[in-house]
Amino acid sequence: DAGVTQSPTHLIKTRGQQVTLRCSPKSGHDTVSWYQQALGQGPQFIFQYYEEEERQRGNFPDRFSGHQFPNYSSELNVNALLLGDSALYLCASSLKGTGANVLTFGAGSRLTVL
Amino acid sequence: KQEVTQIPAALSVPEGENLVLNCSFTDSAIYNLQWFRQDPGKGLTSLLLIQSSQREQTSGRLNASLDKSSGRSTLYIAASQPGDSATYLCAVRPLDDSWGKLQFGAGTQVVVTP
Repeated sequence: DAGVTQSPTHLIKTRGQQVTLRCSPKSGHDTVSWYQQALGQGPQFIFQYYEEEERQRGNFPDRFSGHQFPNYSSELNVNALLLGDSALYLCASSLKGTGANVLTFGAGSRLTVL
Repeated sequence: KQEVTQIPAALSVPEGENLVLNCSFTDSAIYNLQWFRQDPGKGLTSLLLIQSSQREQTSGRLNASLDKSSGRSTLYIAASQPGDSATYLCAVRPLDDSWGKLQFGAGTQVVVTP
């Protein structure tokens, strides 16, 4: 049973560029959440997708956007990259309506902005 | 606003000693609390999840307690091993959140020396 898969694992961009990160949820899961983890910090919630709609959003600017596809996979897009966007981006999936709604995390995509 | 704090930020112990990791949160209106392990540059692995109605959870050498009224949780790791070296994060799910959004502490970095 495949867990959460994220791609790419590492990437380097320059300021002002745009980036797209991808996530395939665990088999059987229908909800995808994205978190940003800066070095030495805990993950910060970006947003969450269910039924192809953004359901909840953290305190992140509109430069951060996302999408969920009919197969439940998801993309995170960041426009006009800043140095401060350098971080590990974590995707987590879950099954809505299972009570505890326990999240399963992927290994993350490490973004470096130069 | 919920604040999650983990003290100490870093901890080094000799192999065989018991580990005690602390997590505090400011708002007791939580649905559950979860402990995660994170190896350098990697994603999160769930260790234990405690529902708000529970006082503790155990898995092997790991035991986590929850005192919701005082806003505290403690993770105990018995007879530590070098393989326990990692960063340990706690996260709470707010009671009014139906989507599984988590709020994390910054983590405690643990080094177990042989």
